[in-house]
Amino acid sequence: DQQVKQNSPSLSVQEGRISILNCDYTNSMFDYFLWYKKYPAEGPTFLISISSIKDKNEDGRFTVFLNKSAKHLSLHIVPSQPGDSAVYFCAASEFAGGTSYGKLTFGQGTILTVHP
Amino acid sequence: GAGVSQSPSNKVTEKGKDVELRCDPISGHTALYWYRQSLGQGLEFLIYFQGNSAPDKSGLPSDRFSAERTGGSVSTLTIQRTQQEDSAVYLCASSQSRGTGELFFGEGSRLTVL
Repeated sequence: DQQVKQNSPSLSVQEGRISILNCDYTNSMFDYFLWYKKYPAEGPTFLISISSIKDKNEDGRFTVFLNKSAKHLSLHIVPSQPGDSAVYFCAASEFAGGTSYGKLTFGQGTILTVHP
Repeated sequence: GAGVSQSPSNKVTEKGKDVELRCDPISGHTALYWYRQSLGQGLEFLIYFQGNSAPDKSGLPSDRFSAERTGGSVSTLTIQRTQQEDSAVYLCASSQSRGTGELFFGEGSRLTVL
């Protein structure tokens, strides 16, 4: 039973355009959501997060949107750059309500390719 | 170094052998995690350490898997009698105190069981 799903295995975008990566979850106890970025042969690196009390969080070119009623979140990258080409993982936790530590449930990842 | 260090980076072993994977977290990080990523899958939580104790071992797949942490620093993940389904990238992460999930990951140890 996959509690966090990224239904698009890959996404290809032209440089300068918007990249939109999507993530769905099923566990209503999740209250903290994160996006991680992973380059080949490297460990994932934290990108941006959002608490369930918010519906949007912005950091430079990266914005995460959370729709709790739909149990859906998305990551927008504007404008996309070739250096953004990587695997993007969505992750969720029951931070406030339960674990209070970094026990994350990850999606399968989406490979983003940004073409020059 | 400044980041999370894992060794070995690659390990090929025969089915039935034991393997040890090592993690050296960022200095001062009290929380340490092991995750694994099987081919085509997301990262799967294995175990969480706070200091030297492991309050959450719920992700360990079987009793062939064990982990310890000594001195509040280095951790070792041991897999006994390895099976082919154990083949994966094993990732270690650390964070300050309990953290919110903003974990710092190492590069991983790729385990291949023949």
